[in-house]
Amino acid sequence: DVKVTQSSRYLVKRTGEKVFLECVQDMDHENMFWYRQDPGLGLRLIYFSYDVKMKEKGDIPEGYSVSREKKERFSLILESASTNQTSMYLCASSVPRRNQPQHFGDGTRLSIL
Amino acid sequence: GEDVEQSLFLSVREGDSSVINCTYTDSSSTYLYWYKQEPGAGLQLLTYIFSNMDMKQDQRLTVLLNKKDKHLSLRIADTQTGDSAIYFCAESFYNQGGKLIFGQGTELSVKP
Repeated sequence: DVKVTQSSRYLVKRTGEKVFLECVQDMDHENMFWYRQDPGLGLRLIYFSYDVKMKEKGDIPEGYSVSREKKERFSLILESASTNQTSMYLCASSVPRRNQPQHFGDGTRLSIL
Repeated sequence: GEDVEQSLFLSVREGDSSVINCTYTDSSSTYLYWYKQEPGAGLQLLTYIFSNMDMKQDQRLTVLLNKKDKHLSLRIADTQTGDSAIYFCAESFYNQGGKLIFGQGTELSVKP
């Protein structure tokens, strides 16, 4: 069974802090994704990666960056956290074949005070 | 552009059928997915349908796809209280390497 693990379920940080959200998958998937989930807006793609050291902007990349130094790990970085980044963050992974779905972690609920 | 729309809430009684609807704008999608999110958890894949199919059945779940109207639905037969969750539809595209476009999610509430 695919396992996608996000390092924290809940996180509370202060405005201006640099925040790291970590995601690890154990199935050797090439694709990894970061989403944020807000009520009434569904999931919005922040960044994704098709391979080690490569990244692509999603629909809402502003205020975020990512790092993929190893295939199994994809990190989301909030360079200077702001209150409007309070949200649920979800990581997913998949293989790059047409009918293969994304597998999700349990999410990190991040609060910026 | 790509857009996926769902109604936000649905309430049914235990034992009834639930029908969750989804409309999309981009007809070039290849696969359409239904995910379930229970409180405090991530998204769990329920089922998917290839875009050249009309229907797929999997135990209590029936997926119907109307390509002409760009309408997707998920029917849950004999709905149970354990089916209470948020349901997301999503579409993928052949030329976008597995990127998914999600709807807003429909919160299903099942009353005893």
